[in-house]
Amino acid sequence: ETGVTQSPTHLIKTRGQQVTLRCSSQSGHNTVSWYQQALGQGPQFIFQYYREEENGRGNFPPRFSGLQFPNYSSELNVNALELDDSALYLCASSLDRSNTEAFFGQGTRLTVV
Amino acid sequence: GDSVTQMEGPVTLSEEAFLTINCTYTATGYPSLFWYVQYPGEGLQLLLKATKADDKGSNKGFEATYRKETTSFHLEKGSVQVSDSAVYFCALSGVTGSARQLTFGSGTQLTVLP
Repeated sequence: ETGVTQSPTHLIKTRGQQVTLRCSSQSGHNTVSWYQQALGQGPQFIFQYYREEENGRGNFPPRFSGLQFPNYSSELNVNALELDDSALYLCASSLDRSNTEAFFGQGTRLTVV
Repeated sequence: GDSVTQMEGPVTLSEEAFLTINCTYTATGYPSLFWYVQYPGEGLQLLLKATKADDKGSNKGFEATYRKETTSFHLEKGSVQVSDSAVYFCALSGVTGSARQLTFGSGTQLTVLP
């Protein structure tokens, strides 16, 4: 059984640019959630994808968008990057959208300069 | 909305000391409760969970009991080890639309000294 993997592990972008982060969910899991963890804070829910459709969204602006693919892997896209977008972005997969147990990847550290 | 309040850190203990990290929550309905642990440079790992009132979650010597009357889920360990040094997050599983999502506390940094 493979775990949740994210890529890249680190990247640096310039304010105003766009970025795409990737996540491969755990085998057999059809639900992926994305979280943003600012330094010294707990993770905050961005959105969730279930069977390729957005299934719920936290308090994040539309420039945060996502995709889920038929193999249940997922992307997080952020447009018009701001300095405050610098954070650790975590992907979590669940067996299905009603399952409370989430398995997290190691995260992507995004720095916006 | 849902919220989780955790004991402020950092917490520094000597090896074999008793650990308590307080966690209280505010939520509608009956959420599931979790403790996650984050080691330096890594993502979150589920430490333990409880899905209903009076349930006790336990793992690797850590325990927490779901107390509905006090809306609490305090983490305890009888004898900590240096390897327990990490950041600990209390979380609850709530609902946003049709999505089950986690609401986290701000985390408690634990350092265990030999």
